[in-house]
Amino acid sequence: SQTIHQWPATLVQPVGSPLSLECTVEGTSNPNLYWYRQAAGRGLQLLFYSVGIGQISSEVPQNLSASRPQDRQFILSSKKLLLSDSGFYLCAWSRGGAGQNGYTFGSGTRLTVV
Amino acid sequence: GDSVTQMEGPVTLSEEAFLTINCTYTATGYPSLFWYVQYPGEGLQLLLKATKADDKGSNKGFEATYRKETTSFHLEKGSVQVSDSAVYFCALSDLNTGNQFYFGTGTSLTVIP
Repeated sequence: SQTIHQWPATLVQPVGSPLSLECTVEGTSNPNLYWYRQAAGRGLQLLFYSVGIGQISSEVPQNLSASRPQDRQFILSSKKLLLSDSGFYLCAWSRGGAGQNGYTFGSGTRLTVV
Repeated sequence: GDSVTQMEGPVTLSEEAFLTINCTYTATGYPSLFWYVQYPGEGLQLLLKATKADDKGSNKGFEATYRKETTSFHLEKGSVQVSDSAVYFCALSDLNTGNQFYFGTGTSLTVIP
């Protein structure tokens, strides 16, 4: 069966520090991968998605970036965090788009920038 | 373009009350429809889905029927429990738009004993 792992679960970082969040998927190959952000009390915002190694599409211009160095690994990064980067970050995967199966989400990372 | 509209919350109910969370959609094709649930501090979990008109998705006592004529996918439960307290997201995927996923803004439900 397929599983998705996301870490760390909680992170507190000072303004201006770098960020690296990691997401890996097991039990499938060539998944579509997604990074979402959920600000406090708000809905889901798609940040990045990837349909293959090295292929990244950005939905929202900002100081975050994403990379996919391996087929089942998706990394969210920032060189310098802003206070507004605080939120709940969710990784998700799907097989060839949402289709009839939707997305499977990781357990999320709670990022607080102080 | 495609979109999902959910009723705004928060919703507060007493235990054993009837729950309805409204969801309507706009789509260019024939979308698949989903309800996700997010318990406090956790990621989203698929609650139920329906892939064609008149299908009924059900899970854990929750139900939703895909109504093409009213473009709706309302979530219902006959008797809610405290453990149902969570945020509920309606979503759709549409083959006509490359299987992109569109989420509603989420509805927060609190069930009090």
